[in-house]
Amino acid sequence: GENVEQHPSTLSVQEGDSAVIKCTYSDSASNYFPWYKQELGKRPQLIIDIRSNVGEKKDQRIAVTLNKTAKHFSLHITETQPEDSAVYFCAASRGSSASKIIFGSGTRLSIRP
Amino acid sequence: DVKVTQSSRYLVKRTGEKVFLECVQDMDHENMFWYRQDPGLGLRLIYFSYDVKMKEKGDIPEGYSVSREKKERFSLILESASTNQTSMYLCASRSPAQGVNTEAFFGQGTRLTVV
Repeated sequence: GENVEQHPSTLSVQEGDSAVIKCTYSDSASNYFPWYKQELGKRPQLIIDIRSNVGEKKDQRIAVTLNKTAKHFSLHITETQPEDSAVYFCAASRGSSASKIIFGSGTRLSIRP
Repeated sequence: DVKVTQSSRYLVKRTGEKVFLECVQDMDHENMFWYRQDPGLGLRLIYFSYDVKMKEKGDIPEGYSVSREKKERFSLILESASTNQTSMYLCASRSPAQGVNTEAFFGQGTRLTVV
């Protein structure tokens, strides 16, 4: 079945440094790749997404890259701040109105002051 | 603002009980999902409904069933609760726009403890 693998499971970076989280997916029919952030005690919320017709997307300090050939996609956070501390989930989904969303296992990101 | 509301924030049930978790969304979304969240395992899909009365099994459907009689409501049923179903349960919904996948919105979660 469809599978999304996410690495690393935990990540600690110095405030101001960059953080990178990587995911791979198994279903070659996937064409939508969202990233969710879950702060402690809160619900997951979408922070950025990318579709298969583009290779990169940026939103201020956050960027996502996609390599469809290798079935890899990554989240890049630059100039990290304390409020970036959270659990991040990648996900993959096919392009139909009846598609599941399959999530990775999550990355706990900690920002050291 | 999209609102996805789960009926309980915390729930404690006894082994063998039949448990109902309810989720309601107010944005006329076609797709609704039930996930369970466990440390180190991420969000695992239990069941998915792409429209009223339509459902599909996810990765871990054993011990669960679902009901979607109305578009706004998606219920998760634990037929006979067991201690290994102690977990955080998250409901989500979304509305695919012309077959294009869009953002899913999550409920606040139900922390279920089976004793």
